[in-house]
Amino acid sequence: KAGVTQTPRYLIKTRGQQVTLSCSPISGHRSVSWYQQTPGQGLQFLFEYFSETQRNKGNFPGRFSGRQFSNSRSEMNVSTLELGDSALYLCASSLLGLAGDGDEQFFGPGTRLTVL
Amino acid sequence: GESVGLHLPTLSVQEGDNSIINCAYSNSASDYFIWYKQESGKGPQFIIDIRSNMDKRQGQRVTVLLNKTVKHLSLQIAATQPGDSAVYFCAEKVPPEAGSYQLTFGKGTKLSVIP
Repeated sequence: KAGVTQTPRYLIKTRGQQVTLSCSPISGHRSVSWYQQTPGQGLQFLFEYFSETQRNKGNFPGRFSGRQFSNSRSEMNVSTLELGDSALYLCASSLLGLAGDGDEQFFGPGTRLTVL
Repeated sequence: GESVGLHLPTLSVQEGDNSIINCAYSNSASDYFIWYKQESGKGPQFIIDIRSNMDKRQGQRVTVLLNKTVKHLSLQIAATQPGDSAVYFCAEKVPPEAGSYQLTFGKGTKLSVIP
């Protein structure tokens, strides 16, 4: 079956702009989680959506938001971009999500965002 | 490929040797732990997991050891192969204090296999 897909793969924005990233989970998966990966901070959890509801949230400012559609596809939005938002943004899908023990997360290839 | 870390600890091993990658986790309340492998240009890939009520779990060529006393996790890879070269992350799932689970990742270790 098809894996997790993310679009676009690369994006360049300038400070102050906003950006929307898209994630299509594996068919049948209802949970989508988003992560930010940077050389300095490593992998950090942003939030998780399950059946169109945000179920878990990391420690990021309100400029980072997301949503999930009825087909489980998810979007992440970052408003008022800062230089420090340059990162690889990863999404992962799973059947049960973080609330389910032993539920494997499948990651997409990521979107590389560069803020100039 | 994508650079996932510029200052990662690096472990270099000879092909065929065993590798041990260590991880110190932060929260004694964490109840579930996962090891991921990330190759250049790809997202992390699940390797093996372990619940906090266990101290050892084995998979195919991999073993995870959990020491809750010192909050330490290790990943052992038997007969390391060139395809094992990647960055390895541990992750801990912290139960919700205010209704929200957290998945916290370690900084990662870069494994380089010498043919």
